[in-house]
Amino acid sequence: NAGVTQTPKFRVLKTGQSMTLLCAQDMNHEYMYWYRQDPGMGLRLIHYSVGEGTTAKGEVPDGYNVSRLKKQNFLLGLESAAPSQTSVYFCASSYAYEPQHFGDGTRLSIL
Amino acid sequence: AQTVTQSQPEMSVQEAETVTLSCTYDTSESDYYLFWYKQPPSRQMILVIRQEAYKQQNATENRFSVNFQKAAKSFSLKISDSQLGDAAMYFCAYRRSTPLVFGKGTRLSVIA
Repeated sequence: NAGVTQTPKFRVLKTGQSMTLLCAQDMNHEYMYWYRQDPGMGLRLIHYSVGEGTTAKGEVPDGYNVSRLKKQNFLLGLESAAPSQTSVYFCASSYAYEPQHFGDGTRLSIL
Repeated sequence: AQTVTQSQPEMSVQEAETVTLSCTYDTSESDYYLFWYKQPPSRQMILVIRQEAYKQQNATENRFSVNFQKAAKSFSLKISDSQLGDAAMYFCAYRRSTPLVFGKGTRLSVIA
């Protein structure tokens, strides 16, 4: 019973490089989310999706893109990484108003 | 926009004692959900307790209970008989039709 799986768990990038974070859930949830967590800031919503093929902006979407081509997967892309995007990234999923289930996070450092 | 405020960045409690973490929120809605999540050093986000705003009865989960004051827009978490494993960051969160809105968290230390 995997729940929400994030890949990779750690990554170091150089400024200007691109990468994609993968989130996969096996609970048949309609809703999926990407958050970032910074010290003293709590979790802030980047983008979310309410179903396959849909995406919406959250509180801090700039510099990120997302895609939900399959119901079970939600991808977060950084086209040109910046040091300000150094953070811990969390993916979550849920049914509409039910509690969100979180992955274990991805620690991303951008030099 | 909804906001969630946790006014205590850090708290500490003696093992076996009781501690209360504060949370206030701002909303114009009457029907919504409130949550407390725990984040231990392992970084996992673990749901501790949830409260539906339409329910007057305060939610309870074993040693964890809430004091939900809807008119005051307050949602505090009480941890009874504190254990070393309760040491973690605790996040209060609000949800209605949008994804969760989190407070900035309270770091709880448990002293043996």
